Amino acid sequence: DTAVSQTPKYLVTQMGNDKSIKCEQNLGHDTMYWYKQDSKKFLKIMFSYNNKELIINETVPNRFSPKSPDKAHLNLHINSLELGDSAVYFCASSSPGTSVYNEQFFGPGTRLTVL
Amino acid sequence: AQKVTQAQTEISVVEKEDVTLDCVYETRDTTYYLFWYKQPPSGELVFLIRRNSFDEQNEISGRYSWNFQKSTSSFNFTITASQVVDSAVYFCALIENRGSTLGRLYFGRGTQLTVWP
Repeated sequence: DTAVSQTPKYLVTQMGNDKSIKCEQNLGHDTMYWYKQDSKKFLKIMFSYNNKELIINETVPNRFSPKSPDKAHLNLHINSLELGDSAVYFCASSSPGTSVYNEQFFGPGTRLTVL
Repeated sequence: AQKVTQAQTEISVVEKEDVTLDCVYETRDTTYYLFWYKQPPSGELVFLIRRNSFDEQNEISGRYSWNFQKSTSSFNFTITASQVVDSAVYFCALIENRGSTLGRLYFGRGTQLTVWP
């Protein structure tokens, strides 16, 4: 019954590796997001997709590439991982159509640690 | 410039005390929405409230209340009779009505609230 789910919950990897984080929502939302929370708890948007189309592409390294195979999924692939990529990554979704001001529902987060 | 400022980095109170978390925002838009989210020690982000810029009525939900004042660009959050389970990081956030930023939540840096028994 999880509304927004992410896998894995924890990800520990070596510098230089490539990794993916998966996100799925079963709320019927058509907009999904990726946020990054750094070690000081600061949350910042990375990407937003609406109906599989990229809307927001914040200034992030092009090593980060989101992929939305359908409205219910938004995956995040990261190439050549660096120490500074260590953070908690949150996926979120918001309700369809009517308003971009609707509240966003967040997944449980994926804690990425790059060694 | 920070669009959402939460000046209180950490607050500690003893159970049953009332506590107010401050939030000041900055926007040029007339239409915008403000939010509060809670992040307990378990790490998830829990939506608490959404308020649009045209509705300055204060809201109360149980022990939680919110005071929105456009004149001071503030959207403060008060917990009455705090409990240990209220211990969390609380985030204030803003969505503006701008084409290039549609749906983008601007978060404050959060206030860590610790409630001691």
